[in-house]
Amino acid sequence: AQSVAQPEDQVNVAEGNPLTVKCTYSVSGNPYLFWYVQYPNRGLQFLLKYITGDNLVKGSYGFEAEFNKSQTSFHLKKPSALVSDSALYFCAVSPTGMNTGFQKLVFGTGTRLLVSP
Amino acid sequence: GAGVSQTPSNKVTEKGKYVELRCDPISGHTALYWYRQSLGQGPEFLIYFQGTGAADDSGLPNDRFFAVRPEGSVSTLKIQRTERGDSAVYLCASSSSGYGYTFGSGTRLTVV
Repeated sequence: AQSVAQPEDQVNVAEGNPLTVKCTYSVSGNPYLFWYVQYPNRGLQFLLKYITGDNLVKGSYGFEAEFNKSQTSFHLKKPSALVSDSALYFCAVSPTGMNTGFQKLVFGTGTRLLVSP
Repeated sequence: GAGVSQTPSNKVTEKGKYVELRCDPISGHTALYWYRQSLGQGPEFLIYFQGTGAADDSGLPNDRFFAVRPEGSVSTLKIQRTERGDSAVYLCASSSSGYGYTFGSGTRLTVV
């Protein structure tokens, strides 16, 4: 079965410092990996995805993530955090072996990012 | 429309009642998904439509849950004999490419 682990319930970082939100996954075959962000009382917003190719993926709002196959990780990073980045972040993996291209997602439990001024 | 629209945004119902939650996807998106997000958890897959048909309903928790998409656009998630454990935010998403969804803001269902 596919699964995603986000080991940190909360990450605290000062504005201007780099941030990392961790994600590891378990899936058979080659994974499709995603990061979403959720602001209070709003839906999930897509940040970035890894399908294939370059292991470093760049996404919205200056975020990036690095796919590491040997460590089965897909950590989210940003070189310089903003207070406005404070939100709930979800890592997700798509089950493989589905050939339709339309993938259901398995989400982690989320990590709350708190950026202090 | 410009985004995925879900109505109502909030629904409070009594235990045992029937509820319907509506999702209006982005125009032209053929794939539509329902997820459920309980407090402190990530979204959990419920059902996926490709056009009018349910391509995968493996996430529906039991036969009290049912969803339809009769014309391949708007979808309705129906919950019969609601239980307090059904309280959650129900999220709808749509997709055209298959590798990234657009989510709606969700319907917060509270069963009292």
